[in-house]
Amino acid sequence: GESVGLHLPTLSVQEGDNSIINCAYSNSASDYFIWYKQESGKGPQFIIDIRSNMDKRQGQRVTVLLNKTVKHLSLQIAATQPGDSAVYFCADLPSGTYKYIFGTGTRLKVLA
Amino acid sequence: DTEVTQTPKHLVMGMTNKKSLKCEQHMGHRAMYWYKQKAKKPPELMFVYSYEKLSINESVPSRFSPECPNSSLLNLHLHALQPEDSALYLCASSRSYGQDAYEQYFGPGTRLTVT
Repeated sequence: GESVGLHLPTLSVQEGDNSIINCAYSNSASDYFIWYKQESGKGPQFIIDIRSNMDKRQGQRVTVLLNKTVKHLSLQIAATQPGDSAVYFCADLPSGTYKYIFGTGTRLKVLA
Repeated sequence: DTEVTQTPKHLVMGMTNKKSLKCEQHMGHRAMYWYKQKAKKPPELMFVYSYEKLSINESVPSRFSPECPNSSLLNLHLHALQPEDSALYLCASSRSYGQDAYEQYFGPGTRLTVT
């Protein structure tokens, strides 16, 4: 994705519900994808990655889905907790390059 | 251990000062990165080092000067900065880069304020 605008999209979710954060990427040559979580005042924290030869990968409470046909990536968080509140960035890496392309980010707010 | 450390955590400097940011990792990663991040924006790539050699400079002004003394350390030397250079400076590392992509780990960042 490309960074646009100054306002982060925000997703508000009730504690205990599932969260789905979406990301679109533009480069069809991208073959590696990462989701990062960034809490206020901290560096991005690696959550989960997926390669283009897969369409789904599961971690602990998180699942990443990749749809190469429409160039779409999503992060699903099960049983969302207050500690999940953060900004989430997707990043894709075009094959043969060094430059991770970051999405604009989504702020996740968990409501008690 | 997936830790990348950065010092200092905060830095305030005047436009005539010279300062350095430091980054260290002991994961055996051979690719190291400097990013700049403004508020509410994603990280923006500045430099990439691969096997201690500068591979990429994303047209960064010369007032930012990177240095990779060895495979574990990465420095960013700052001189004659402008107030608009105030940002969070992030260091990252990965096992390699390019075609053999591996996860990239970030440090906590240095919050830089230029007065």
